[in-house]
Amino acid sequence: ELKVEQNPLFLSMQEGKNYTIYCNYSTTSDRLYWYRQDPGKSLESLFVLLSNGAVKQEGRLMASLDTKARLSTLHITAAVHDLSATYFCAVDTDDKIIFGKGTRLHILP
Amino acid sequence: SQTIHQWPATLVQPVGSPLSLECTVEGTSNPNLYWYRQAAGRGLQLLFYSVGIGQISSEVPQNLSASRPQDRQFILSSKKLLLSDSGFYLCAWSAYDRVRLPIYFGEGSWLTVV
Repeated sequence: ELKVEQNPLFLSMQEGKNYTIYCNYSTTSDRLYWYRQDPGKSLESLFVLLSNGAVKQEGRLMASLDTKARLSTLHITAAVHDLSATYFCAVDTDDKIIFGKGTRLHILP
Repeated sequence: SQTIHQWPATLVQPVGSPLSLECTVEGTSNPNLYWYRQAAGRGLQLLFYSVGIGQISSEVPQNLSASRPQDRQFILSSKKLLLSDSGFYLCAWSAYDRVRLPIYFGEGSWLTVV
């Protein structure tokens, strides 16, 4: 059974700081996605990572994928309050896409 | 461009009543379709996925069912709702090959069973 584990599950950090969210998964896959969810809203696609070593950046967020380690990271640089949300990674294998439990990010002014 | 519509957006249903949530996708053919559920403050649980008309795979045994009567229509149903069925239900689609695209979500349906 495919397992996708994110950590931390909750993160409170101050504006201006850097931090990394980790996503480990238990089976072979070279497709991984990151999503953002604001409270009460649906999920918005952030990054699509399609190969080992893939790195994508958008603003203060950067995502990477290491398929050999079965690990993806979402790095936040110089956090700002607008980045407060829940972030999900999702692993794509066969016909199913399985999500981690999400990391609730709270950025303090 | 592709769009996904999901309705109703919110509903409050008594225990034991039936449920029907509908989802349609526009602008693409032969999409993979998904139903996820998110309990309050929790992660996403895959309920059903479909790779074609009439082809439904169930991930979690429960009192819910799904159907795909048309290529771009996906329906989530229940004959008798339980309190534990409350949650945020999300329909999603992806391209059949998913080579470059992730899955895209509808706006979600908030279900409260009372």
